[in-house]
Amino acid sequence: LAKTTQPISMDSYEGQEVNITCSHNNIATNDYITWYQQFPSQGPRFIIQGYKTKVTNEVASLFIPADRKSSTLSLPRVSLSDTAVYYCLVGEGSNAGKSTFGDGTTLTVKP
Amino acid sequence: DSGVTQTPKHLITATGQRVTLRCSPRSGDLSVYWYQQSLDQGLQFLIQYYNGEERAKGNILERFSAQQFPDLHSELNLSSLELGDSALYFCASRATGTRDHTGELFFGEGSRLTVL
Repeated sequence: LAKTTQPISMDSYEGQEVNITCSHNNIATNDYITWYQQFPSQGPRFIIQGYKTKVTNEVASLFIPADRKSSTLSLPRVSLSDTAVYYCLVGEGSNAGKSTFGDGTTLTVKP
Repeated sequence: DSGVTQTPKHLITATGQRVTLRCSPRSGDLSVYWYQQSLDQGLQFLIQYYNGEERAKGNILERFSAQQFPDLHSELNLSSLELGDSALYFCASRATGTRDHTGELFFGEGSRLTVL
């Protein structure tokens, strides 16, 4: 199971773009990269998932370089409600859920 | 709403007692995962079931056990409770079928256990 490394915390201001990078040097060929968001006392919520290059949905973009050893979650124009913990998880199929989520990145958005 | 239902939402009990947490996965999802999240910590994987069978074990204590029933709901049993077992317990189910390979997880809202 691929181990991931993320910054412990990040601060931003409303309206700014936030980029959170996750390192996963031993990612396997079949692994997908998935990002989750968690608010206090709530279950994590799926944000975005990708395998390679760039993926975009209505809330975020995910950039994955060709070597796939890292990925960057990009949140455009953050608001106060984006203050949460963001987890990067790497895995495939049934392996995806066996990893401990780690500490994630605590994003604090200030007014 | 993720489609994953967990009960009870809150539970307060005493040391030495036993409790059962229940999880109903999303309709059609065969995999159920259990996680423990202690205060200000990440989610620790406990155990996984797939279609009624145990598939993987993580950092689950011997005092804890789980099972998945034919209707695919799952129960996590915690016994001989200690103060340190106080935590949020999350259940997640995984998309199967055409999206089986992606491993996307859907989490319930959790059961908060307080051991006094």
